[in-house]
Amino acid sequence: NAGVTQTPKFRVLKTGQSMTLLCAQDMNHEYMYWYRQDPGMGLRLIHYSVGEGTTAKGEVPDGYNVSRLKKQNFLLGLESAAPSQTSVYFCASRGLSRRSNQPQHFGDGTRLSIL
Amino acid sequence: GNSVTQMEGPVTLSEEAFLTINCTYTATGYPSLFWYVQYPGEGLQLLLKATKADDKGSNKGFEATYRKETTSFHLEKGSVQVSDSAVYFCALSEEAGGSYIPTFGRGTSLIVHP
Repeated sequence: NAGVTQTPKFRVLKTGQSMTLLCAQDMNHEYMYWYRQDPGMGLRLIHYSVGEGTTAKGEVPDGYNVSRLKKQNFLLGLESAAPSQTSVYFCASRGLSRRSNQPQHFGDGTRLSIL
Repeated sequence: GNSVTQMEGPVTLSEEAFLTINCTYTATGYPSLFWYVQYPGEGLQLLLKATKADDKGSNKGFEATYRKETTSFHLEKGSVQVSDSAVYFCALSEEAGGSYIPTFGRGTSLIVHP
């Protein structure tokens, strides 16, 4: 059981380049999330999705776009990368249960450096 | 809004020492509470959780009790091992407008020396 898989694991970009980070989950989860993790800042929510075809902004959405065309995939795009977007990006998913005690399941992260 | 406050790290201990990592929260409703652990180079994984007041979550020798009166969910372990070295995150989750957006603390790094 793969759980949540993030692709790629590492990437180095030049300022102004674009790229897409892929998150795939095989647990049939409705909710999916993208976070960034920076030293001393904990996890900050970029965008999230409550189901196929829906997306919403999180705490730090500027400079990022997302799409959820298929239930199992959640894509995070950087249209014009900036050094401030150097970070570790985590994807997470959660089942549909309306009980608040359902945990999130996380991928192993994508380490992105922008020069 | 909701918030989670954790003690700042790093916490440095010798093997077999007693561990406490403090976590307090503010919430508008009645949230569920979680501890996640992040090992080096990996994503977060659920360590334990509690759903209602006085519930005790436990896993791998770690425990935390949901204290509504003090709005706390402190993580404890009686005897830590080198393999427990990781970053620990306290989090809460409650339903808000049909969405479940967890609130995380900033994480506490634990370093255990042999």
